Amino acid sequence: EDKVVQSPLSLVVHEGDTVTLNCSYEVTNFRSLLWYKQEKKAPTFLFMLTSSGIEKKSGRLSSILDKKELFSILNITATQTGDSAIYLCAGTGTASKLTFGTGTRLQVTL
Amino acid sequence: DVKVTQSSRYLVKRTGEKVFLECVQDMDHENMFWYRQDPGLGLRLIYFSYDVKMKEKGDIPEGYSVSREKKERFSLILESASTNQTSMYLCASSTPGTLETQYFGPGTRLLVL
Repeated sequence: EDKVVQSPLSLVVHEGDTVTLNCSYEVTNFRSLLWYKQEKKAPTFLFMLTSSGIEKKSGRLSSILDKKELFSILNITATQTGDSAIYLCAGTGTASKLTFGTGTRLQVTL
Repeated sequence: DVKVTQSSRYLVKRTGEKVFLECVQDMDHENMFWYRQDPGLGLRLIYFSYDVKMKEKGDIPEGYSVSREKKERFSLILESASTNQTSMYLCASSTPGTLETQYFGPGTRLLVL
């Protein structure tokens, strides 16, 4: 059975801090790993990673995949209160299915 | 712009009622998915569909059925709602291929009394 585990489950930081969110996966016929940000409603897509060692970057957010060790990290630098959300990690394998982790709840305080 | 819509944002139903949750996407995506999201459990896949009239069970299909009569529409049916089906339901769609990304609707928060 496919499995995705995220850590920590929740995190409280001060504005301006840098955070690292972790995601490990066991997905049969692994194809890609996706990160989503979920605020009050629908998850919104952040990154898709398919190759090891290649960093994807979008503003203050970046992510990298290690296919040998089966994990990914999501970094957020200079955090802002608007970064407060649940961050979801998901792996795709066979049949276009996504297996999600439970998410990391990030709260950024002033 | 990518758009996935769900028929209701909030629903309150009674135990034993039949419940229909509708999802529509305007991106001509072949794949559509229904998830439920519960605290501490993340998103869990209920059913998905590759094409019209095709469906596959996800990880937790018990108590649910689905219907895909048109490409743009994917319905989730709770034949006889139970209190343990109180949850947030999220629909998503994607295009099949090597590098597909799922796009999510806004979610329906269902309360079964």
